[in-house]
Amino acid sequence: DQQVKQNSPSLSVQEGRISILNCDYTNSMFDYFLWYKKYPAEGPTFLISISSIKDKNEDGRFTVFLNKSAKHLSLHIVPSQPGDSAVYFCAASEGAGNNRKLIWGLGTSLAVNP
Amino acid sequence: DSGVTQTPKHLITATGQRVTLRCSPRSGDLSVYWYQQSLDQGLQFLIQYYNGEERAKGNILERFSAQQFPDLHSELNLSSLELGDSALYFCASSVGTFNSPLHFGNGTRLTVT
Repeated sequence: DQQVKQNSPSLSVQEGRISILNCDYTNSMFDYFLWYKKYPAEGPTFLISISSIKDKNEDGRFTVFLNKSAKHLSLHIVPSQPGDSAVYFCAASEGAGNNRKLIWGLGTSLAVNP
Repeated sequence: DSGVTQTPKHLITATGQRVTLRCSPRSGDLSVYWYQQSLDQGLQFLIQYYNGEERAKGNILERFSAQQFPDLHSELNLSSLELGDSALYFCASSVGTFNSPLHFGNGTRLTVT
């Protein structure tokens, strides 16, 4: 059972426009959320994170929004650039100490068209 | 460049064989994680080591084992290989503190024929 769901396997956006990648989760115990970006033939790269005590975190062109009541988070990329074309993974963590777990979504492939 | 080095990049072997994947973490990182990514699957956590000791275990098969050495590099051993073990195996490292982000290597692609 997927606790972290990225329901859109792919997304296509025009350069300069906003990209919105969505992630839904089912476990209310998740307290920290991360987004990673992955290019072909490379490992995932950390992009941005947000704690469950916040509803927004911004880093340059990237903003993550968290809606705890809806168990939903989204990653906004503004403006989108062709170099942003990659697979984006949402991940969520919960637990304490050695029992801390990081659960990953299946990813959304973003294509930014020039 | 994440600073995490994985070798080899590609590995082709036959069913029933045993292979060893190697990972050198980023300088200063004490935690090493192993993940498996199969076709159409997300990243499945296998196991984590912190400063030489096993810290957490995920969906790791009994045929698989890992260790982290005193110099902090890690090896993932896969034995009695089956066709279904064909996947990308990623190593990641972190400083090991709460919620510290993971830094991934570029993976080892294992093909079992």
